[in-house]
Amino acid sequence: GQQLNQSPQSMFIQEGEDVSMNCTSSSIFNTWLWYKQDPGEGPVLLIALYKAGELTSNGRLTAQFGITRKDSFLNISASIPSDVGIYFCAGLRTSGTYKYIFGTGTRLKVLA
Amino acid sequence: NAGVTQTPKFRVLKTGQSMTLLCAQDMNHEYMYWYRQDPGMGLRLIHYSVGEGTTAKGEVPDGYNVSRLKKQNFLLGLESAAPSQTSVYFCASSYGSGDQPQHFGDGTRLSIL
Repeated sequence: GQQLNQSPQSMFIQEGEDVSMNCTSSSIFNTWLWYKQDPGEGPVLLIALYKAGELTSNGRLTAQFGITRKDSFLNISASIPSDVGIYFCAGLRTSGTYKYIFGTGTRLKVLA
Repeated sequence: NAGVTQTPKFRVLKTGQSMTLLCAQDMNHEYMYWYRQDPGMGLRLIHYSVGEGTTAKGEVPDGYNVSRLKKQNFLLGLESAAPSQTSVYFCASSYGSGDQPQHFGDGTRLSIL
Protein backbone atom coordinates (compact mmCIF):
# COMPACT_ATOMS: atom_id res chain seq x y z
CA GLY A 1 0.00 0.00 0.00
CA GLN A 2 1.01 3.59 -0.52
CA GLN A 3 2.81 5.41 2.28
CA LEU A 4 4.07 8.90 2.58
CA ASN A 5 7.77 9.68 2.68
CA GLN A 6 8.84 11.58 5.75
CA SER A 7 12.18 13.27 6.12
CA PRO A 8 14.33 13.05 8.08
CA GLN A 9 13.75 9.61 9.57
CA SER A 10 15.37 10.73 12.82
CA MET A 11 17.14 13.75 14.21
CA PHE A 12 19.05 14.77 17.28
CA ILE A 13 18.95 18.44 18.18
CA GLN A 14 20.02 20.66 21.03
CA GLU A 15 17.41 22.17 23.29
CA GLY A 16 16.44 25.59 21.99
CA GLU A 17 17.06 24.79 18.34
CA ASP A 18 14.41 24.96 15.65
CA VAL A 19 13.28 21.77 13.90
CA SER A 20 11.98 21.22 10.37
CA MET A 21 10.56 18.08 8.88
CA ASN A 22 8.53 17.30 5.79
CA CYS A 23 6.24 14.80 4.20
CA THR A 24 6.14 14.20 0.47
CA SER A 25 4.19 12.14 -2.02
CA SER A 26 3.78 11.68 -5.74
CA SER A 27 0.02 12.04 -5.29
CA ILE A 28 -2.15 15.04 -4.54
CA PHE A 29 -3.78 15.28 -1.11
CA ASN A 30 -6.76 17.30 0.04
CA THR A 31 -6.06 17.19 3.76
CA TRP A 32 -2.88 16.95 5.78
CA LEU A 33 -2.63 16.09 9.45
CA TRP A 34 0.37 16.12 11.77
CA TYR A 35 0.47 13.86 14.83
CA LYS A 36 2.92 13.30 17.66
CA GLN A 37 3.35 9.92 19.34
CA ASP A 38 5.00 9.45 22.71
CA PRO A 39 6.32 6.01 23.76
CA GLY A 40 3.54 3.65 24.79
CA GLU A 41 0.81 6.03 23.69
CA GLY A 42 -1.30 6.67 20.64
CA PRO A 43 -0.75 9.49 18.16
CA VAL A 44 -2.07 12.87 19.27
CA LEU A 45 -3.26 15.37 16.71
CA LEU A 46 -1.13 18.52 16.50
CA ILE A 47 -2.32 20.40 13.44
CA ALA A 48 -4.85 19.86 10.62
CA LEU A 49 -4.51 21.53 7.20
CA TYR A 50 -7.29 21.73 4.62
CA LYS A 51 -6.20 24.15 1.88
CA ALA A 52 -3.16 24.33 -0.39
CA GLY A 53 -0.80 27.01 0.91
CA GLU A 54 -2.44 27.06 4.34
CA LEU A 55 -0.11 27.91 7.21
CA THR A 56 -1.34 26.99 10.68
CA SER A 57 0.29 27.36 14.08
CA ASN A 58 -0.24 25.59 17.40
CA GLY A 59 2.01 27.19 19.99
CA ARG A 60 5.61 26.61 18.94
CA LEU A 61 4.50 24.36 16.07
CA THR A 62 3.78 25.60 12.57
CA ALA A 63 2.66 23.44 9.67
CA GLN A 64 2.11 24.25 6.03
CA PHE A 65 0.07 22.61 3.29
CA GLY A 66 2.33 22.63 0.23
CA ILE A 67 1.22 24.63 -2.81
CA THR A 68 1.55 21.59 -5.06
CA ARG A 69 -0.67 19.64 -2.61
CA LYS A 70 1.93 16.85 -2.72
CA ASP A 71 3.76 17.83 0.44
CA SER A 72 3.49 19.29 3.89
CA PHE A 73 5.95 20.74 6.38
CA LEU A 74 6.16 20.92 10.15
CA ASN A 75 8.39 23.31 12.06
CA ILE A 76 9.04 23.37 15.79
CA SER A 77 10.62 26.50 17.19
CA ALA A 78 12.81 26.66 20.29
CA SER A 79 12.66 22.94 21.02
CA ILE A 80 12.32 21.68 24.57
CA PRO A 81 12.92 18.19 26.04
CA SER A 82 9.22 17.27 25.97
CA ASP A 83 9.23 17.63 22.18
CA VAL A 84 10.88 14.21 22.08
CA GLY A 85 8.76 11.67 20.22
CA ILE A 86 7.77 10.46 16.79
CA TYR A 87 6.02 12.87 14.46
CA PHE A 88 3.70 11.46 11.81
CA CYS A 89 2.07 13.10 8.86
CA ALA A 90 -1.15 11.77 7.39
CA GLY A 91 -2.76 12.68 4.09
CA LEU A 92 -6.22 12.22 2.69
CA ARG A 93 -6.31 11.90 -1.08
CA THR A 94 -10.00 12.38 -1.73
CA SER A 95 -12.51 13.80 0.69
CA GLY A 96 -15.03 11.25 1.88
CA THR A 97 -12.93 8.12 1.46
CA TYR A 98 -12.09 8.05 5.17
CA LYS A 99 -8.75 6.50 4.37
CA TYR A 100 -5.82 8.49 5.57
CA ILE A 101 -2.35 7.44 4.45
CA PHE A 102 0.32 7.77 7.13
CA GLY A 103 3.96 8.68 6.86
CA THR A 104 6.73 6.52 8.28
CA GLY A 105 7.49 9.03 11.02
CA THR A 106 10.30 11.33 12.10
CA ARG A 107 11.88 10.39 15.43
CA LEU A 108 13.00 13.50 17.30
CA LYS A 109 15.43 13.48 20.19
CA VAL A 110 16.28 16.65 22.07
CA LEU A 111 19.55 16.96 23.94
CA ALA A 112 19.40 19.18 27.00
CA ASN B 1 -12.18 12.76 29.54
CA ALA B 2 -11.65 9.20 28.28
CA GLY B 3 -11.76 9.76 24.48
CA VAL B 4 -10.79 6.48 22.83
CA THR B 5 -10.15 3.53 25.16
CA GLN B 6 -8.57 0.27 24.07
CA THR B 7 -8.52 -2.99 25.99
CA PRO B 8 -6.39 -4.90 26.68
CA LYS B 9 -3.14 -2.90 26.62
CA PHE B 10 -0.95 -5.97 26.27
CA ARG B 11 -1.53 -9.56 25.26
CA VAL B 12 0.56 -12.59 24.36
CA LEU B 13 -1.04 -15.32 22.29
CA LYS B 14 0.03 -18.64 20.90
CA THR B 15 -0.26 -19.30 17.19
CA GLY B 16 -3.77 -20.43 16.34
CA GLN B 17 -5.46 -18.82 19.34
CA SER B 18 -8.24 -16.33 18.91
CA MET B 19 -8.94 -13.08 20.65
CA THR B 20 -10.92 -9.86 20.42
CA LEU B 21 -9.61 -6.34 20.90
CA LEU B 22 -12.11 -3.81 22.16
CA CYS B 23 -12.26 -0.13 21.29
CA ALA B 24 -14.68 2.24 22.97
CA GLN B 25 -15.17 5.95 22.30
CA ASP B 26 -17.26 8.41 24.26
CA MET B 27 -17.22 11.29 21.76
CA ASN B 28 -20.30 10.19 19.78
CA HIS B 29 -18.13 9.78 16.68
CA GLU B 30 -19.65 8.12 13.64
CA TYR B 31 -16.44 6.77 12.15
CA MET B 32 -14.10 4.25 13.75
CA TYR B 33 -10.91 2.62 12.50
CA TRP B 34 -8.45 -0.12 13.35
CA TYR B 35 -4.77 0.29 12.39
CA ARG B 36 -1.64 -1.72 12.96
CA GLN B 37 1.74 -0.15 13.53
CA ASP B 38 4.91 -2.02 12.71
CA PRO B 39 8.54 -0.86 13.10
CA GLY B 40 9.68 1.47 10.34
CA MET B 41 6.23 1.71 8.83
CA GLY B 42 3.39 4.13 9.06
CA LEU B 43 0.00 3.17 10.43
CA ARG B 44 -1.83 0.79 8.11
CA LEU B 45 -5.61 0.60 8.03
CA ILE B 46 -7.07 -2.83 8.75
CA HIS B 47 -10.84 -2.19 8.79
CA TYR B 48 -13.06 0.79 9.37
CA SER B 49 -16.68 1.65 10.04
CA VAL B 50 -18.69 4.66 8.93
CA GLY B 51 -21.54 4.01 11.33
CA GLU B 52 -23.25 1.54 13.63
CA GLY B 53 -23.81 -1.77 11.88
CA THR B 54 -21.40 -1.04 9.00
CA THR B 55 -17.83 -2.19 8.37
CA ALA B 56 -15.45 -2.05 5.44
CA LYS B 57 -12.01 -3.39 4.54
CA GLY B 58 -8.93 -1.24 4.73
CA GLU B 59 -5.46 -1.77 3.34
CA VAL B 60 -4.52 -4.96 5.26
CA PRO B 61 -7.75 -6.77 6.24
CA ASP B 62 -6.67 -10.40 5.83
CA GLY B 63 -6.78 -12.45 9.04
CA TYR B 64 -8.98 -9.94 10.88
CA ASN B 65 -12.69 -9.42 11.35
CA VAL B 66 -14.56 -6.52 12.90
CA SER B 67 -17.97 -5.68 14.26
CA ARG B 68 -19.74 -2.42 15.12
CA LEU B 69 -22.89 -3.47 16.94
CA LYS B 70 -22.99 -0.28 19.00
CA LYS B 71 -21.97 3.18 17.87
CA GLN B 72 -19.47 3.60 20.67
CA ASN B 73 -17.72 0.23 20.25
CA PHE B 74 -15.59 -1.25 17.49
CA LEU B 75 -14.25 -4.77 17.96
CA LEU B 76 -11.29 -6.30 16.15
CA GLY B 77 -11.09 -10.09 16.08
CA LEU B 78 -8.28 -12.47 15.25
CA GLU B 79 -9.78 -15.89 14.56
CA SER B 80 -6.50 -17.81 14.30
CA ALA B 81 -3.54 -15.70 15.34
CA ALA B 82 -0.32 -15.89 13.32
CA PRO B 83 3.17 -14.57 14.20
CA SER B 84 2.83 -12.04 11.34
CA GLN B 85 0.08 -10.39 13.34
CA THR B 86 2.48 -9.40 16.10
CA SER B 87 2.10 -5.65 16.14
CA VAL B 88 0.77 -2.67 18.01
CA TYR B 89 -2.90 -2.10 17.21
CA PHE B 90 -4.47 1.34 17.35
CA CYS B 91 -8.10 2.25 17.28
CA ALA B 92 -9.23 5.70 16.15
CA SER B 93 -12.48 7.56 15.73
CA SER B 94 -13.59 10.68 13.93
CA TYR B 95 -16.68 12.88 13.79
CA GLY B 96 -18.67 13.90 10.76
CA SER B 97 -17.29 13.63 7.23
CA GLY B 98 -14.31 11.47 6.39
CA ASP B 99 -11.79 14.31 6.29
CA GLN B 100 -12.17 15.07 9.98
CA PRO B 101 -9.09 14.35 12.09
CA GLN B 102 -8.91 10.96 13.73
CA HIS B 103 -8.44 10.61 17.48
CA PHE B 104 -6.43 7.61 18.63
CA GLY B 105 -6.41 5.29 21.62
CA ASP B 106 -3.20 4.33 23.40
CA GLY B 107 -2.83 1.04 21.55
CA THR B 108 -2.78 -2.69 22.25
CA ARG B 109 0.59 -4.40 22.06
CA LEU B 110 -0.01 -7.93 20.78
CA SER B 111 2.63 -10.65 20.52
CA ILE B 112 1.97 -13.96 18.79
CA LEU B 113 4.34 -16.77 19.69
